[in-house]
Amino acid sequence: QVQLVQSGAEVKKPGSSVKVSCKASGGTFSNYTIAWVRQAPGQGLEWMGRIIPILGIANYAQKFQGRVTITADKSTSTAYMELSSLRSEDTAVYYCARAGMVPEYFDYWGQGTLVTVSS
Amino acid sequence: EIVLTQSPGTLSLSPGERATLSCRASQSVSSSYLAWYQQKPGQAPNLLIYGASSRATGIPDRFSGSGSGTDFTLTINKLEPEDFAVYYCQQYGSSPRTFGQGTKVEIK
Repeated sequence: QVQLVQSGAEVKKPGSSVKVSCKASGGTFSNYTIAWVRQAPGQGLEWMGRIIPILGIANYAQKFQGRVTITADKSTSTAYMELSSLRSEDTAVYYCARAGMVPEYFDYWGQGTLVTVSS
Repeated sequence: EIVLTQSPGTLSLSPGERATLSCRASQSVSSSYLAWYQQKPGQAPNLLIYGASSRATGIPDRFSGSGSGTDFTLTINKLEPEDFAVYYCQQYGSSPRTFGQGTKVEIK
């Protein structure tokens, strides 16, 4: 069955960067999009952006433009999300989620990666 | 950006009762590209409904979705103990994709 397995928890200093991975198995990686969604403690879900691996094209939410980079390695069926210039407000659980090309609802999710930003 | 507003914020109900959750969009959601997710503490969200009214694989038929345009509803008939959770709506018809703020269904 389809599984998305994310990298482990991270603790980062303000101003640094973090890169979270999401390895897919059980499906054809290139036939789907991979999105990144974050959830601050006790808060709701926030879409950050997504990538279409077969095209290598990524789109980002305006809020994260210039700070987030989403990439994908088709050879290893792994997507990555890198967030730079970290601040305390970026402390959150970061999820990857798989969606079809069209329509793009999220049918599988990774287990989440807690990123803590603290001095 | 389409803003999704969910109501109520919290719904206090007993097992066996019906839950009715609302999701209102600031502008029309194209092609009824509206999904509902359930999230339990410490877990990733789980897809319940897509296309406003289609149940995802393995989702019990006590969950149903309806609506179009700007007004959508998730109904849970005869609440089971495992249904007490937070529910989010999400639109995927335009970019950026956006989520509602969530409705918590709690045990009364």
